[in-house]
Amino acid sequence: GAGVSQSPSNKVTEKGKDVELRCDPISGHTALYWYRQSLGQGLEFLIYFQGNSAPDKSGLPSDRFSAERTGGSVSTLTIQRTQQEDSAVYLCASSLGATRDTQYFGPGTRLTVL
Amino acid sequence: AQKITQTQPGMFVQEKEAVTLDCTYDTSDQSYGLFWYKQPSSGEMIFLIYQGSYDEQNATEGRYSLNFQKARKSANLVISASQLGDSAMYFCAMRERGTGNQFYFGTGTSLTVIP
Repeated sequence: GAGVSQSPSNKVTEKGKDVELRCDPISGHTALYWYRQSLGQGLEFLIYFQGNSAPDKSGLPSDRFSAERTGGSVSTLTIQRTQQEDSAVYLCASSLGATRDTQYFGPGTRLTVL
Repeated sequence: AQKITQTQPGMFVQEKEAVTLDCTYDTSDQSYGLFWYKQPSSGEMIFLIYQGSYDEQNATEGRYSLNFQKARKSANLVISASQLGDSAMYFCAMRERGTGNQFYFGTGTSLTVIP
């Protein structure tokens, strides 16, 4: 079956512009996660959606970052007024809801802010 | 406090040798899962192996095994017969029921297999 997909795969933008990153999770997966990964670094948790529960936004680095998940499926991560330090790979993952269920990751969106 | 600690930023292993990547975790939850992922230079995250908190046997998947020591809260990954293709970043992660099945990742270990 289809895996997690993300679009665009690459995004180059100018400082101060807004960007939207899209994630299509695996069908039926109730949990969806966004992470940020800078070059050579680990995963930085951003936000977590689980079913109809309120999302865990504790990882969002500033109020310029927001995310939504429509209809329990597709998710969009929006970064307003981008800064150069926002340059990173943004990874999306989805999973079923049980403790033993692994995450499946998308290929990521590489964001470059000039 | 860090939920997942990986103390080895970089490791080297000779081809065909075994290597152990360390992972310790912190939780007061009784129900949790431990996961290892591999991230090659291509950037994709690949799930390797899972260990449940109630599992009595250490998990094994091919050349990967998880040395689970519950009392010590450690979940080390053992890779046997290392291959050049094993060179990658390895991340340990935990999922806790008590935090709504949130995932927590360690900072990763970079493994280089030497021919």
